[in-house]
Amino acid sequence: NAGVTQTPKFQVLKTGQSMTLQCAQDMNHEYMSWYRQDPGMGLRLIHYSVGAGITDQGEVPNGYNVSRSTTEDFPLRLLSAAPSQTSVYFCASRRDRLTDTQYFGPGTRLTVL
Amino acid sequence: GDSVTQMEGPVTLSEEAFLTINCTYTATGYPSLFWYVQYPGEGLQLLLKATKADDKGSNKGFEATYRKETTSFHLEKGSVQVSDSAVYFCALSSHSGGATNKLIFGTGTLLAVQP
Repeated sequence: NAGVTQTPKFQVLKTGQSMTLQCAQDMNHEYMSWYRQDPGMGLRLIHYSVGAGITDQGEVPNGYNVSRSTTEDFPLRLLSAAPSQTSVYFCASRRDRLTDTQYFGPGTRLTVL
Repeated sequence: GDSVTQMEGPVTLSEEAFLTINCTYTATGYPSLFWYVQYPGEGLQLLLKATKADDKGSNKGFEATYRKETTSFHLEKGSVQVSDSAVYFCALSSHSGGATNKLIFGTGTLLAVQP
């Protein structure tokens, strides 16, 4: 089992550029989510999905889009990057929406100039 | 709403010292409580958990007891090692009937252990 994988590991964008952060899990988990980690603010939930075809907004969804076409993949899209989106992004999964134990990917460090 | 407050760091200790990282929470109902650890350059890993009052979670020499009366879940270790240097996050999972459980994190505490 690879667990939760994320690509790329590092990315630098210019303001206004778009990109997609990839996330995949091989544990057949129904629930997947995206967080951003900023100094002094802990982890904040961006979007989450309780199953293929179902997504919902978290605490800080503005500027991000998601889709969930398969159980395995949950990409995060930045349509027009802004410096405020400079952060470390973590994807996570758990068995289902009622399970507590969550597994995290290694993270993507994004810098927007 | 539900929230987690943990002590600010950094916490700097010498090897073999005793560690306490304080964590308190605010929640309606009866949440599950967690400690996650993030080693440099890596994602978060579950360190330990407790699902009900007076439960003690333990792993790798770390312990934390779910104290409902003080709404606390303090992390302790009797003798830290240099390899314990990491950021530690306290978290709760709020249970809201049949709705999706939400994991709420504290801001993290950086622990630096010196040889």
